[in-house]
Amino acid sequence: SQQGEEDPQALSIQEGENATMNCSYKTSINNLQWYRQNSGRGLVHLILIRSNEREKHSGRLRVTLDTSKKSSSLLITASRAADTASYFCATVGSYIPTFGRGTSLIVHP
Amino acid sequence: NAGVTQTPKFRVLKTGQSMTLLCAQDMNHEYMYWYRQDPGMGLRLIHYSVGEGTTAKGEVPDGYNVSRLKKQNFLLGLESAAPSQTSVYFCASSYLPSQPMLQETQYFGPGTRLLVL
Repeated sequence: SQQGEEDPQALSIQEGENATMNCSYKTSINNLQWYRQNSGRGLVHLILIRSNEREKHSGRLRVTLDTSKKSSSLLITASRAADTASYFCATVGSYIPTFGRGTSLIVHP
Repeated sequence: NAGVTQTPKFRVLKTGQSMTLLCAQDMNHEYMYWYRQDPGMGLRLIHYSVGEGTTAKGEVPDGYNVSRLKKQNFLLGLESAAPSQTSVYFCASSYLPSQPMLQETQYFGPGTRLLVL
């Protein structure tokens, strides 16, 4: 069963807008990771945030983690058409990551 | 570096046939994983390996077997394929955690699309 659950399931925005997607989970974690999957391709790692971190940045990506609420958010600023993809969170309690069902993001040019 | 490669890219099987999916990584990773991805289900872990010669069951292991005879290769076998095994299969690998109970980034292969008729 999936631990992390992304919300919303689908998101459609215009180029230049910000995109925010959320991940909620149920049990304690050591770290949480976000991945991107372009259509027909494998997953690509975006960012990892550890349980003792609250916020992390990487380029146009900003990830927050609230362990008290068991939730994380991924913000993509100034989105581009090339950001169109599915985004997955993976929660890691022990050695094995557990993936959510993903958020499908469409960025219209 | 080629990273994680998977063969074949696409395969059609008839019910009851067998096949082996091959995953290879050239990053000297200790951990390797097999996932399946179905529409609306995200990724589900089939089997994984924490080192050469060791394997373990994941969330959905029934109908699959695996072997890790060499550190760089992780094989997924279907002994008697069923239509329910129609899916996209992804292999991934990762480094040995720097600290106990930590997990690092996973590197994914491009996937194998399997259709079982």
